[in-house]
Amino acid sequence: EAGVAQSPRYKIIEKRQSVAFWCNPISGHATLYWYQQILGQGPKLLIQFQNNGVVDDSQLPKDRFSAERLKGVDSTLKIQPAKLEDSAVYLCASSSHGYGNTGELFFGEGSRLTVL
Amino acid sequence: DQQVKQNSPSLSVQEGRISILNCDYTNSMFDYFLWYKKYPAEGPTFLISISSIKDKNEDGRFTVFLNKSAKHLSLHIVPSQPGDSAVYFCAASGYGGSQGNLIFGKGTKLSVKP
Repeated sequence: EAGVAQSPRYKIIEKRQSVAFWCNPISGHATLYWYQQILGQGPKLLIQFQNNGVVDDSQLPKDRFSAERLKGVDSTLKIQPAKLEDSAVYLCASSSHGYGNTGELFFGEGSRLTVL
Repeated sequence: DQQVKQNSPSLSVQEGRISILNCDYTNSMFDYFLWYKKYPAEGPTFLISISSIKDKNEDGRFTVFLNKSAKHLSLHIVPSQPGDSAVYFCAASGYGGSQGNLIFGKGTKLSVKP
């Protein structure tokens, strides 16, 4: 079974530039998550999709971050404009469990963003 | 305001001995707890979980203990192996019923020395 795929693995940009990350979840997984992991911290949820609908984006900085999941499969996370404090690893995860049901998450390898 | 705390940033253990990783939480609404393991340059991988209706869950060399009254859980690895060297994250969910809204601790880096 193929895992969660993310790209790019690494990205370096200057502040005020924009960047986009892509995620392809495990086939058949209805739930997709984007987490932000700042160095020395645990992952923090940014947004959760159930199929192509958003079920939780309470911690997404909506003035600069946006995410979409077209057709309930792939997802993109965009940052525009980037700030220095956005430097982090952006982790995509998927789950076969729906909203409100517990179950393990399968994480991708992450996309490391450095903002200069 | 950290709802899930892992107060030990690092732990060093001799191969063959027991590793005990600790986690404390503050939110009594949490009802499901998970441990994830993370190797460098990889995403976290699920290790073991426990529901609040249990106080122990075992899977091979890994056992998680939950003490609800103390809001404390621990992960025991017996015997520890060099391949267990990784960062271990404690995570909790249940607040609002959202499984996806896992709240992670900062992690404990375990080093198992041969």
